Amino acid sequence: KQEVTQIPAALSVPEGENLVLNCSFTDSAIYNLQWFRQDPGKGLTSLLLIQSSQREQTSGRLNASLDKSSGRSTLYIAASQPGDSATYLCAVRADKLIFGTGTRLQVFP
Amino acid sequence: GAVVSQHPSRVICKSGTSVKIECRSLDFQATTMFWYRQFPKQSLMLMATSNEGSKATYEQGVEKDKFLINHASLTLSTLTVTSAHPEDSSFYICSASLKGAAGELFFGEGSRLTVL
Repeated sequence: KQEVTQIPAALSVPEGENLVLNCSFTDSAIYNLQWFRQDPGKGLTSLLLIQSSQREQTSGRLNASLDKSSGRSTLYIAASQPGDSATYLCAVRADKLIFGTGTRLQVFP
Repeated sequence: GAVVSQHPSRVICKSGTSVKIECRSLDFQATTMFWYRQFPKQSLMLMATSNEGSKATYEQGVEKDKFLINHASLTLSTLTVTSAHPEDSSFYICSASLKGAAGELFFGEGSRLTVL
């Protein structure tokens, strides 16, 4: 059974810091891995999708890497801003999409 | 990007009643849709996989007679919570894939159910 874990569970940082969020999964037989953002009481916003054959994807200040063999992915957020405050979820896709435990991020001015 | 619409966004009902939530892919056809449930401050838990024209596949621990899923067309899947109880109060989110198994999943805005 696929298990997806995210570390840290919560993070509070001052504006401007560079951040690394970690995601690990137990079964490396995946099609892809996706990072999402969720604001309180809202749905999901897709941030980055990495196919199993890829090593990383970049979008603006976000960079996600994937090491499928070791079951790890990281989301790097450069120059964090208060607007980045949200819960970040990683999810791995095989025949279904399984979500991680989430990281609650707060960026204060 | 692909759009998935959920309705209603919020619903409040009395205990014992049934509630239907709709999930529509607006600009693409989705042979497979997924339903998730999220309790406060927890992650999303997969409830079931909905395939067009066939019975849904439920995850372990999810009561199929309580959470009825119908995927009658390539653009619509519905989740009906039957005889709802306060413990069913949760945030329900659907998703649909744009291009089969390896495609990116797009999510609806979610439906918050409160059972009094």
